[in-house]
Amino acid sequence: QSALTQPASVSGSPGQSITISCTGTSSDVGGYNYVSWFQQHPGKAPKLIIYEVSNRPSGVSNRFSGSKSGNTASLTISGLQAEDEADYYCFSHATSGIRVFGGGTKLTVL
Amino acid sequence: EVQLVESGGGLVQAGGSLRLSCEVSGFTFSHYWMTWVRQAPGKGLEWVANMNQDESAKFYVGSVKGRFTISRDNAKSSLYLQMNSLTVEDTAVYYCVREGLPVGMDVWGQGTTVTVSS
Repeated sequence: QSALTQPASVSGSPGQSITISCTGTSSDVGGYNYVSWFQQHPGKAPKLIIYEVSNRPSGVSNRFSGSKSGNTASLTISGLQAEDEADYYCFSHATSGIRVFGGGTKLTVL
Repeated sequence: EVQLVESGGGLVQAGGSLRLSCEVSGFTFSHYWMTWVRQAPGKGLEWVANMNQDESAKFYVGSVKGRFTISRDNAKSSLYLQMNSLTVEDTAVYYCVREGLPVGMDVWGQGTTVTVSS
């Protein structure tokens, strides 16, 4: 099972919106609505920000939103803030009970 | 307060073994799937293994299958990862993670570091 494909880096200015893509196959992203997104600041444990493609856990800002089309999932962050600068990982269920992460995307807030 | 506390990491020579533990509190451990995720230095997250509530279902990433064993003791609210035949590629921070329904991996421990030397 290969890692899901994410851009290595994205950037945006405060107040702008950015979108991070996560491309898999019909055996993972395309075949399941169990796509999650995690935010990780340096030296910290990851934090769940989106589950089941587009749902936000309690306490997560509504500036974070998720979607999916075919084999590609997307995370959009609107109204960028300095605190959003972090690494972001997508995650999906896959066949035979396996799970798989994306390679990660470093978000820089300019 | 929901907490997951990993322990058991350390320095080991290639070919050696380690057993990681994760003690949880603040929720009913026996109700949840549990997962191990690792992160090599400077690298991304890698899902390692997970298991269901009564140990009847266990799944592993291909690179650890046959070498690592996930297990749990519901009476002790603890999750384990037995790691054998370790290689330098297993060097990473290992996180214990709760898997809720439908939220998925919603609570993470602080991680324990495993270093495998050649």
